[in-house]
Amino acid sequence: KNQVEQSPQSLIILEGKNCTLQCNYTVSPFSNLRWYKQDTGRGPVSLTIMTFSENTKSNGRYTATLDADTKQSSLHITASQLSDSASYICVVSPHSGGGADGLTFGKGTHLIIQP
Amino acid sequence: DTGVSQDPRHKITKRGQNVTFRCDPISEHNRLYWYRQTLGQGPEFLTYFQNEAQLEKSRLLSDRFSAERPKGSFSTLEIQRTEQGDSAMYLCASSPVSLAYEQYFGPGTRLTVT
Repeated sequence: KNQVEQSPQSLIILEGKNCTLQCNYTVSPFSNLRWYKQDTGRGPVSLTIMTFSENTKSNGRYTATLDADTKQSSLHITASQLSDSASYICVVSPHSGGGADGLTFGKGTHLIIQP
Repeated sequence: DTGVSQDPRHKITKRGQNVTFRCDPISEHNRLYWYRQTLGQGPEFLTYFQNEAQLEKSRLLSDRFSAERPKGSFSTLEIQRTEQGDSAMYLCASSPVSLAYEQYFGPGTRLTVT
C-alpha cells in the first residue's frame, strides 16, 4: 500500500531558529514529490515540487531535499518567522500526468513558531 | 483575485439535510479536483474532472456524494442526507494539463453537521 509518513507530528521552535521536517514514502512507481504549506483554515499552498531526478530545490527560506533511493525527503526552514507557523504536508505522486490515481498525502507536520 | 475560489467558506447544517458547495477554478485550468480533509489529517482525494468529464472517483465518494462540472468551468459537490461524519473541510484544486501535477488549492469549505 502506498504510504507517506511525516515526522515529527508537531514541532515548536523559537523565532529565528532553523528546523527540518521529514517525509518517508513507499509510493511506487515514483514521479514527483511536493511540499505544501497549509495555514489554519486555509487551503494548501505549494512550496516545492521535485521529480525523481532532482535532489534539492529551494524556495526562499525553504529548501527541500529528495533521496529517491532511500525514499526520503526533508524540508528545511531557515531563520524561521512567526508566519511559518502552519502545517507542512508532503505529497507523493506515482504519475507525471497529474491524475489523482495513487496521489498520496502525508498527515502533515504542525509547526509552531514562538516569539 | 484569479486563484481558486470556493463558496461558501463555512456551512453549518443539520443531519439529514442536503448541502451543495461550489468551486471556481483558475480560468485556464482544465483539471479540477475535490478533496476532503479532517482535523489533523492530510487531504483525501474524492474525485477529479478533466474539462466536464469526471475521470476518477475515490471509494470514499459514497452514493450520497455527487459532483458535477457541467460546462468544464465551475464545479459543484453535493452531499445528500448529511451525517455527522461528513463534517470536514472540503478542498477544491485545479491544474493545467500541461503542468498537471501543479495543483492550486482553494481556501476550502468548512462543513459542520450537527
